Amino acid sequence: GENVEQHPSTLSVQEGDSAVIKCTYSDSASNYFPWYKQELGKRPQLIIDIRSNVGEKKDQRIAVTLNKTAKHFSLHITETQPEDSAVYFCAASKGSASKIIFGSGTRLSIRP
Amino acid sequence: DAGVTQSPTHLIKTRGQQVTLRCSPKSGHDTVSWYQQALGQGPQFIFQYYEEEERQRGNFPDRFSGHQFPNYSSELNVNALLLGDSALYLCASSLAGTSPQPQHFGDGTRLSIL
Repeated sequence: GENVEQHPSTLSVQEGDSAVIKCTYSDSASNYFPWYKQELGKRPQLIIDIRSNVGEKKDQRIAVTLNKTAKHFSLHITETQPEDSAVYFCAASKGSASKIIFGSGTRLSIRP
Repeated sequence: DAGVTQSPTHLIKTRGQQVTLRCSPKSGHDTVSWYQQALGQGPQFIFQYYEEEERQRGNFPDRFSGHQFPNYSSELNVNALLLGDSALYLCASSLAGTSPQPQHFGDGTRLSIL
């Protein structure tokens, strides 16, 4: 069945350093890959997304890369700040019905 | 511009009871999806409504049902509640299109079953 695997489950980085979260997906028909940030007790917030016709997308300190052949995509956060501390979810979707399959999440902690 | 709103924010029920959760989509959105998020896990897709019809369903039993109204708002109903139904229930809205569209989430309803 459809599955999204996410690694690592926890990540601690020094403030100012970069953080990388990696995901793989099983359904080769997936064509939309959103990333959500969820702070404690709050809603998942869409922070960036990428479609299968694009290999990389950047928005300020956040970038996503997609390797369709390997069915692998990653989130890169540069110059990390304390407010980046949260749980991050990768996800995959296909077609216009937009059912989203989520990864298990990465708890990112930024050390001062 | 109002985002996705859900009610109630918290709810406590006992086993065997029934519950109804409500969602109003973001202005301009016509599609509503429901997700269940257990503690420490990613959201799991329950079902999606478009044009007042269930368009897609995840791996949830028939105890979970829903409805969409002409104004695009939606309800999630759960019958015969089990302890394992305790979770955060999230509603997400989007705009139907020929390609996948971003889904925006509400704050959720935290359901506790005693």
